[in-house]
Amino acid sequence: DADVTQTPRNRITKTGKRIMLECSQTKGHDRMYWYRQDPGLGLRLIYYSFDVKDINKGEISDGYSVSRQAQAKFSLSLESAIPNQTALYFCATSDPSSTGELFFGEGSRLTVL
Amino acid sequence: QKEVEQNSGPLSVPEGAIASLNCTYSDRVSQSFFWYRQYSGKSPELIMSIYSNGDKEDGRFTAQLNKASQYVSLLIRDSQPSDSATYLCAVNQLDSSYKLIFGSGTRLLVRP
Repeated sequence: DADVTQTPRNRITKTGKRIMLECSQTKGHDRMYWYRQDPGLGLRLIYYSFDVKDINKGEISDGYSVSRQAQAKFSLSLESAIPNQTALYFCATSDPSSTGELFFGEGSRLTVL
Repeated sequence: QKEVEQNSGPLSVPEGAIASLNCTYSDRVSQSFFWYRQYSGKSPELIMSIYSNGDKEDGRFTAQLNKASQYVSLLIRDSQPSDSATYLCAVNQLDSSYKLIFGSGTRLLVRP
């Protein structure tokens, strides 16, 4: 089983719908992140969390919200999805002692029509 | 100007050749530098990290860092078709030890 699990892996939805992407991890890491990946733009940070009570905005947080339900769970929500939120979304974790190693989930491909 | 820039490629090399991937960054206070490999349809995985000027070797991979010129490169010796992937450069800034800034990636194709 994957150490960082994302659900759903693929989702097609319509403009205006609320969508939640879920992430759970078994690595025991405190730090969790949500990135989106678009062709030609690389990975961009949406939100990150250092522990259950800590939530921080990344580069592109507008239109997104997150919830850290437990150390192992970090969810990303799109309250009212729009077509330019069509992207590949990755959850990642890291250990505080590491300055750059992120462990990624398998990704959630979201299409907003 | 993007903070971390990479040529999108594709960079095509024959099997057995040296593949050279380059990355430039704009923030002079950047401290840590990383190369991630991403196979098509898969998630990125860390393959190299480098923190000080010079070369760092790990098997067929060598990372090179030049902070004065603000570039970092990755050399892959004896390239194999299995090295065909997108290589993402990532930079960790001094004021954001938890946050990596990624380049858009260079696609490498190794021809058999």
